[in-house]
Amino acid sequence: SQQGEEDPQALSIQEGENATMNCSYKTSINNLQWYRQNSGRGLVHLILIRSNEREKHSGRLRVTLDTSKKSSSLLITASRAADTASYFCATDFPGNQFYFGTGTSLTVIP
Amino acid sequence: EAGVAQSPRYKIIEKRQSVAFWCNPISGHATLYWYQQILGQGPKLLIQFQNNGVVDDSQLPKDRFSAERLKGVDSTLKIQPAKLEDSAVYLCASSISTDTQYFGPGTRLTVL
Repeated sequence: SQQGEEDPQALSIQEGENATMNCSYKTSINNLQWYRQNSGRGLVHLILIRSNEREKHSGRLRVTLDTSKKSSSLLITASRAADTASYFCATDFPGNQFYFGTGTSLTVIP
Repeated sequence: EAGVAQSPRYKIIEKRQSVAFWCNPISGHATLYWYQQILGQGPKLLIQFQNNGVVDDSQLPKDRFSAERLKGVDSTLKIQPAKLEDSAVYLCASSISTDTQYFGPGTRLTVL
């Protein structure tokens, strides 16, 4: 399967701490995206990083991409209770085939 | 800007019955996607349209699932006949290109 895999499957941290989750994939990609899903707002796009980029920032989010290792990481700094959600990486393969990963469930404890 | 609309939000049917879901994408978005998300898993792409042409339907169970996008705008996804394992949330998304996808609220299907 070309589906990405997130690691860890579940993560629990205190408010104010940083959260890091990782995504690994198997074949070359056009770009990689991170999405957040919670019951209140559904599935929401967070950030996109292209295959020729190594790092990208958006507010409290930092994404890195290592195409040699076929992996990406999402760092959320200074976490808030509202960050509690499931986080998915989505890979865009040549031919515009999209695959979502298995997800990381993040719980931020107030 | 209005978001992606889906209906119905919930549907309960008996196995072997038929069901249809409707999606209205964001105005001007050429690309439309249907995903199936089983509880505890990530969304699985079923079909991707570019305007009214199919780009990818490699994961669509074509013996029971069908989808169409008439006039390159609204889309319907149909399951006929439904099986127990089709119980899932069906998500519709749209995008201008193949970058950011905007998702609708989904339709939660329960097959009894």
